[in-house]
Amino acid sequence: DARVTQTPRHKVTEMGQEVTMRCQPILGHNTVFWYRQTMMQGLELLAYFRNRAPLDDSGMPKDRFSAEMPDATLATLKIQPSEPRDSAVYFCASGLALERETQYFGPGTRLLVL
Amino acid sequence: DQQVKQNSPSLSVQEGRISILNCDYTNSMFDYFLWYKKYPAEGPTFLISISSIKDKNEDGRFTVFLNKSAKHLSLHIVPSQPGDSAVYFCAASPGTYKYIFGTGTRLKVLA
Repeated sequence: DARVTQTPRHKVTEMGQEVTMRCQPILGHNTVFWYRQTMMQGLELLAYFRNRAPLDDSGMPKDRFSAEMPDATLATLKIQPSEPRDSAVYFCASGLALERETQYFGPGTRLLVL
Repeated sequence: DQQVKQNSPSLSVQEGRISILNCDYTNSMFDYFLWYKKYPAEGPTFLISISSIKDKNEDGRFTVFLNKSAKHLSLHIVPSQPGDSAVYFCAASPGTYKYIFGTGTRLKVLA
């Protein structure tokens, strides 16, 4: 049963600390998305990778957020330094570039910045 | 500026009745629309989609209707079941990889 995995599932940290969230996409998928879910904005796209290359990170605050894919089995999202307004659920999704419906979401990382 | 709006944060329906979830959009360039369902502590899962060349798509108990002139789509669930209780997101795409999601509607189906 192939699925997207995310770690950690929950993270509580203090303002100013670095936060790293990890995602393992489904084997064979060539697209990776990072989303942030907040009550007010719903699901916001933060970054999009295709074949490990970052094609769109326009949704990310550039000064503090960064996203990478060191290899095809790992995507990371880092926040440094973290702020209370970053508290949200962060979802990773993977899919196939040619299929518009295939965004398979992971279970999310619930982040609380105190 | 919300391009995709789900104006009802929550909805309660009796088991066996119809659930109707609504979604409005503002961007006329959107050509593909999806509905996702999300259970607590899980990620959203794809439910049903519709292309702008259609006005209806049906999959079992789920039907999505698209009214392009009104920039409105709706998801009908008939009959509603307790297992349908979840948060439903609509999403729209302007023909690219990018999907704009609404804020979600929490559906509660009462047994």
